[in-house]
Amino acid sequence: NAGVTQTPKFQVLKTGQSMTLQCAQDMNHNSMYWYRQDPGMGLRLIYYSASEGTTDKGEVPNGYNVSRLNKREFSLRLESAAPSQTSVYFCAITGTALSEQYFGPGTRLTVT
Amino acid sequence: QKEVEQNSGPLSVPEGAIASLNCTYSDRGSQSFFWYRQYSGKSPELIMFIYSNGDKEDGRFTAQLNKASQYVSLLIRDSQPSDSATYLCAVNTYNAGNNRKLIWGLGTSLAVNP
Repeated sequence: NAGVTQTPKFQVLKTGQSMTLQCAQDMNHNSMYWYRQDPGMGLRLIYYSASEGTTDKGEVPNGYNVSRLNKREFSLRLESAAPSQTSVYFCAITGTALSEQYFGPGTRLTVT
Repeated sequence: QKEVEQNSGPLSVPEGAIASLNCTYSDRGSQSFFWYRQYSGKSPELIMFIYSNGDKEDGRFTAQLNKASQYVSLLIRDSQPSDSATYLCAVNTYNAGNNRKLIWGLGTSLAVNP
């Protein structure tokens, strides 16, 4: 996962708590993405950002907000966590070439 | 609803055999096609992409694309136990600049037996 870092690696929240997942890249790519991965559901896009200052909804944006703070960083916020948000969250980046697609190591989130 | 379908497996092959993984997609406007490998507990890793009909080879991996039949496949020659993983197929139907919104299959689990 060289180039894309995520924090934290693991997190347990109680229902109603809030938290922010952080993603940072050092590859100078414009596009950044947040996915969640659940058994039987596959990878689903939550939000993406084509460039600094822009964000767009993906397939499952409800319950989440994002911030593209600068070209390097893209954060995902859960304002009021729900058990349905228990998942593994991946940040990803893409460059201009089709070969330039990289995932971060993931954050395993459990909401009780 | 745009869909990407894969057999969930598990697909079990002996070491040294050819593993064949298949993927079909519903949107005829799809432009590029990707195969990712995901080891248990790890993040997906891009291993192949293809955008033209025909075959594309990279080492022991061959991606095959048939747009008329709307399927893409991945062949792994001389399979090794280290190839045991889940293989995800992803299809790009939208590409503005380097912005890539992918539709993902659920993955095929491959087990290579020594």
